Amino acid sequence: EVQLVESGGGLVQPGRSLRLSCTTSGFTFAYYAMAWVRQAPGKGLEWIGVITNKASGGTTEYAASVKGRFTISRDDSKSIAYLQMNSLKTEDTALYYCARIRGAPLPDASDVWGQGTVVTVSS
Amino acid sequence: DIVMTQSPDSLAVSLGERATINCKSSQSILYSSNNKNHLAWYQQNPGQPPKLLFFWASTRVAGVPDRFSGSGSGTDFTLTISSLQAEDVAVYYCQQYYTTPNTFGQGTKLEIK
Repeated sequence: EVQLVESGGGLVQPGRSLRLSCTTSGFTFAYYAMAWVRQAPGKGLEWIGVITNKASGGTTEYAASVKGRFTISRDDSKSIAYLQMNSLKTEDTALYYCARIRGAPLPDASDVWGQGTVVTVSS
Repeated sequence: DIVMTQSPDSLAVSLGERATINCKSSQSILYSSNNKNHLAWYQQNPGQPPKLLFFWASTRVAGVPDRFSGSGSGTDFTLTISSLQAEDVAVYYCQQYYTTPNTFGQGTKLEIK
């Protein structure tokens, strides 16, 4: 069974850092690009960024709202994608999802999603 | 950035009736090299992650009931549910993956009338 499980969320003060993990199973992780998407309470979906597979260079792209503060990385040996979040702001409070990009190379839709992990930024 | 605008924001339809959700992109998302529209539709039920319904604007994901259909090209797209069922109550999002950032529409909340 294909699975994505996010972890690492929690309550953090503004200006601090947090690293989220997306642990995957049931598919060949190295083949796929991975995306992060967030959803603020009661709001819609916001695309945060993506990391391509190594064959496509392992390149990253980010939304303007997080560029320079967030970094996506991947460890193909562990089948895990990461979202390093620095200089967190209260407006980063959201449910954070990781999602698999269905095709390779980009671009394509997200066909598998995790259940998400909640990040709350508050003093 | 490409702006995705859905209409309406909310929609109430009677059981068995047709539901239509529109999505408009601020520029064409038809990719000339593959002649495909880089658009996806997702369904999100309360407390659940989004579920992919369609990619390439009109390719239905396996297991999605055929009462759901996706259409459109260029900048204008439509998700249609031909005969609304109770389990279709959800929020629906379109997303373009023509270029990054892969922006989503604001969502359309579908309810039973």
